[in-house]
Amino acid sequence: DTGVSQDPRHKITKRGQNVTFRCDPISEHNRLYWYRQTLGQGPEFLTYFQNEAQLEKSRLLSDRFSAERPKGSFSTLEIQRTEQGDSAMYLCASSSLTGSYEQYFGPGTRLTVT
Amino acid sequence: GNSVTQMEGPVTLSEEAFLTINCTYTATGYPSLFWYVQYPGEGLQLLLKATKADDKGSNKGFEATYRKETTSFHLEKGSVQVSDSAVYFCALTRGGAQKLVFGQGTRLTINP
Repeated sequence: DTGVSQDPRHKITKRGQNVTFRCDPISEHNRLYWYRQTLGQGPEFLTYFQNEAQLEKSRLLSDRFSAERPKGSFSTLEIQRTEQGDSAMYLCASSSLTGSYEQYFGPGTRLTVT
Repeated sequence: GNSVTQMEGPVTLSEEAFLTINCTYTATGYPSLFWYVQYPGEGLQLLLKATKADDKGSNKGFEATYRKETTSFHLEKGSVQVSDSAVYFCALTRGGAQKLVFGQGTRLTINP
């Protein structure tokens, strides 16, 4: 098992551009989570999926943000019309619905909006 | 709502010192409690957890006890090493495969 992977690891974009991040969870994990972490803070929940269904979205997830998990495997997080306040580390995690429910985190995608 | 408050850092200790990082929580019901660690340049890793009152989680010499009466889950280690230098996050879920609510993190530096 290769763990949770995220792509790209770093993204620099200009304000107003759209960006898309990808997360590949651990293969047998049903649940996939997105979090955002700003400098000096703990991660904040954005949204999560169980298989392909998006079950919960945070109020942090404005209408410029959209997430998908089309076949219940990988997920994408898109930010439209990026703003400087979107600069953060975007973390993906996955977990099983059985056993310990432990969330395994990917290395994150660091977004810088200039 | 649910929240986690951690001892503010940064914390700097000498090798072999005793470590305590305080964590208190506010939650409805009976949350599960976690400590995650983020080593420099790496992703978040689960350090230990406890799922019910009076449970003690332990791993790599670290321990934390779920105290419902004081709503606390303080992290302790008897003798820290330079390799323990990292950022530590206390977190909770409402149980099962639920979203994590994190504290703000405590940066720990251990000097030789």
